[in-house]
Amino acid sequence: AQTVTQSQPEMSVQEAETVTLSCTYDTSENNYYLFWYKQPPSRQMILVIRQEAYKQQNATENRFSVNFQKAAKSFSLKISDSQLGDTAMYFCAFMARGTSYGKLTFGQGTILTVHP
Amino acid sequence: NAGVTQTPKFQVLKTGQSMTLQCAQDMNHNSMYWYRQDPGMGLRLIYYSASEGTTDKGEVPNGYNVSRLNKREFSLRLESAAPSQTSVYFCASSLDRGTGELFFGEGSRLTVL
Repeated sequence: AQTVTQSQPEMSVQEAETVTLSCTYDTSENNYYLFWYKQPPSRQMILVIRQEAYKQQNATENRFSVNFQKAAKSFSLKISDSQLGDTAMYFCAFMARGTSYGKLTFGQGTILTVHP
Repeated sequence: NAGVTQTPKFQVLKTGQSMTLQCAQDMNHNSMYWYRQDPGMGLRLIYYSASEGTTDKGEVPNGYNVSRLNKREFSLRLESAAPSQTSVYFCASSLDRGTGELFFGEGSRLTVL
């Protein structure tokens, strides 16, 4: 079974600064995907960024980038030039290409607050 | 742009009562999911349906049943509600099970007294 751990329950950052959210995972699978999802207050959860484990290059989406360390089973999210609209709960998630293909396992979440 | 629609958004039940959470998506997605979200525990998969006509248990299926009525609709039933089922329930869909890109509904907050 896979586990996903987010050890930072809450984080805060000043507008325009950079923040990094941490995520570690445990799996015996070799072929899998990792995701970061964003859940804004009272709004629907959306996908922020996706990383395929076989790709060594870290994924980026505008101000969002990841640091994927496969050997360390670490997958952190960096948000650059933080904006007030980035205030949300962020979830790290894992999906293996195996018998549990299609099932996402989520971490506990990190509440990020961006201060003006 | 309705996306994923869940009903009801709020519900209060007494222990032992039954209820069904309804979910419908209009994106022609093949896969649908039910998750529950509890403080400090993230989202946990209850059941999912990879395609119309199939369902599979997730991490926490006990006390729940599901029906994939057709490609659009995926309902979650609590036959005899318990206080431990107090939670926020999210329905989600994806084009197929391989993308990992889930589109979520707004959530249904259920309280069992």
